Amino acid sequence: GIQVEQSPPDLILQEGANSTLRCNFSDSVNNLQWFHQNPWGQLINLFYIPSGTKQNGRLSATTVATERYSLLYISSSQTTDSGVYFCAVEGWDNNDMRFGAGTRLTVKP
Amino acid sequence: NAGVTQTPKFQVLKTGQSMTLQCAQDMNHEYMSWYRQDPGMGLRLIHYSVGAGITDQGEVPNGYNVSRSTTEDFPLRLLSAAPSQTSVYFCASSAFPYEQYFGPGTRLTVT
Repeated sequence: GIQVEQSPPDLILQEGANSTLRCNFSDSVNNLQWFHQNPWGQLINLFYIPSGTKQNGRLSATTVATERYSLLYISSSQTTDSGVYFCAVEGWDNNDMRFGAGTRLTVKP
Repeated sequence: NAGVTQTPKFQVLKTGQSMTLQCAQDMNHEYMSWYRQDPGMGLRLIHYSVGAGITDQGEVPNGYNVSRSTTEDFPLRLLSAAPSQTSVYFCASSAFPYEQYFGPGTRLTVT
């Protein structure tokens, strides 16, 4: 199956700072999504982005499919952005979605 | 619109017991899936379904069974619980292949 690597594993920011999270994957994909898991365990879909760039408020994401990576940008971070951010991908040959190990973000007031 | 619902929220089983985790969605999504999340790790796919009557194995299917008799429901059965199945279980659905929506999770402990 496809391998997914996320970096950094942990990130601590001061409120108001910007950050970039990275997701590398080992094969071409037809599906890539970013999720936020809040401190209570709920998983929220942020972006469906197998290629290109999308923006939603302070969050944006870019996937460069030919180079097998995706980036999640968080600007002007807030304490409510804390939690774990997961990248998940699916290859062209099956519907088996693979998650990375996540980036744990802590935003301090 | 309740989205994806899961029951129960918490469950404690003894080794060897069987049980069914329930998952339902009211968004008419074709694709449904079950994941497990172990401490400090990402989610791993157990089983998935691309429509009623169709199921397939994911990355970690051993010890679990699924069926999909309706679009709305996708139960996960543990045949004979083992301590290694202690985990948090998430159900998800999507209008394939788009955004996945997750349920709140079931925290299962096997003693």
